[in-house]
Amino acid sequence: GQNIDQPTEMTATEGAIVQINCTYQTSGFNGLFWYQQHAGEAPTFLSYNVLDGLEEKGRFSSFLSRSKGYSYLLLKELQMKDSASYLCAVSSDRGSTLGRLYFGRGTQLTVWP
Amino acid sequence: DVKVTQSSRYLVKRTGEKVFLECVQDMDHENMFWYRQDPGLGLRLIYFSYDVKMKEKGDIPEGYSVSREKKERFSLILESASTNQTSMYLCASRRQGASNQPQHFGDGTRLSIL
Repeated sequence: GQNIDQPTEMTATEGAIVQINCTYQTSGFNGLFWYQQHAGEAPTFLSYNVLDGLEEKGRFSSFLSRSKGYSYLLLKELQMKDSASYLCAVSSDRGSTLGRLYFGRGTQLTVWP
Repeated sequence: DVKVTQSSRYLVKRTGEKVFLECVQDMDHENMFWYRQDPGLGLRLIYFSYDVKMKEKGDIPEGYSVSREKKERFSLILESASTNQTSMYLCASRRQGASNQPQHFGDGTRLSIL
């Protein structure tokens, strides 16, 4: 089976830094994606990690440790518009399921002024 | 930019009706997916398709079927709608090949079954 865990809710204040963790146990692994989803909107792609280490993209960074089955999304200089749900998803590398994603339940981030 | 278009944002149907949800993508993507999203449960995969005429069951296919007659269009069919199929339905597409290719999502269809 596939198990993707992330906290349900987090809160932070504007200008702060927040780290959203994701742990996974999957039968195959071909990379980990992070998506952002504002209320009532489509999820949008934020980042992809397949090798261990940190990938930085402006205010957002994502980290992966394959040996620990662990990833985090780091958001710096938080803005009100960062209030959204953040979805962690693992890509499977098994046969016909290549490209399929297994999603966590999402972390709802609220940024306060 | 990739555009994934779902035919309706909001849809209300009655129990027992046959319901069609349509999804069209404009980037010639091979892979297409249908999810439902419910509070506290996250995104759950219903069906997906690797290419035209191909389909595979996801985690919760019961009560649903799909059709992929053309590459750009992937339809989700609720054979006989029931109230427990009230949900947000999301379609996604992806270019097959490199593992770093993300899925691109449509805006979703909020379906209510009365």
